[in-house]
Amino acid sequence: AQKITQTQPGMFVQEKEAVTLDCTYDTSDPSYGLFWYKQPSSGEMIFLIYQGSYDQQNATEGRYSLNFQKARKSANLVISASQLGDSAMYFCAMREGTLAQKLVFGQGTRLTINP
Amino acid sequence: EAGVTQFPSHSVIEKGQTVTLRCDPISGHDNLYWYRRVMGKEIKFLLHFVKESKQDESGMPNNRFLAERTGGTYSTLKVQPAELEDSGVYFCASSQQRQGTNEQFFGPGTRLTVL
Repeated sequence: AQKITQTQPGMFVQEKEAVTLDCTYDTSDPSYGLFWYKQPSSGEMIFLIYQGSYDQQNATEGRYSLNFQKARKSANLVISASQLGDSAMYFCAMREGTLAQKLVFGQGTRLTINP
Repeated sequence: EAGVTQFPSHSVIEKGQTVTLRCDPISGHDNLYWYRRVMGKEIKFLLHFVKESKQDESGMPNNRFLAERTGGTYSTLKVQPAELEDSGVYFCASSQQRQGTNEQFFGPGTRLTVL
């Protein structure tokens, strides 16, 4: 079964608009962490934001926020006021349990910001 | 502070040859991970070192892959003999040994092409 599902292979958004990238996850472990990474065309993976399963509030980092809906098992990334430099691949990932370290990734969403 | 570095950035080899990928983690990071992304598929975990010990190698595809981390510093991933299906991007990541986010910092990846 797919642990992390990103249903949007590609998205096109106008500059300055907000954009939501979807991510749903599947785990039976009560303790887990959710991550979003950005991969620009240069290839490096850039950490954006983290949400722990026990965190009471949605995570925010500058223009990035995570819409964490635990009951629905979704962890959507919201980018406010999109910029041309936001064009990239975006990966949602999960770490299960308190001891495990490995990340399980979704297939990614390619975001294109149009001027 | 230098980030995670990987060498080479690209490698093109013929089926049956041997290739060795190198990863230098961020200084002081005890955790080192290898992942790979085969074309069009999600990024998959290969293995995890804590210092020089293999903590989790559940993602290693077969015995043609050998990872080492002598002295707990840099790591190498050797593929011998390489097969066509080994083509993809191999990422290395590192993190500090701590609780909470334990964010993994990724290198730029090595793009391996097996002809």
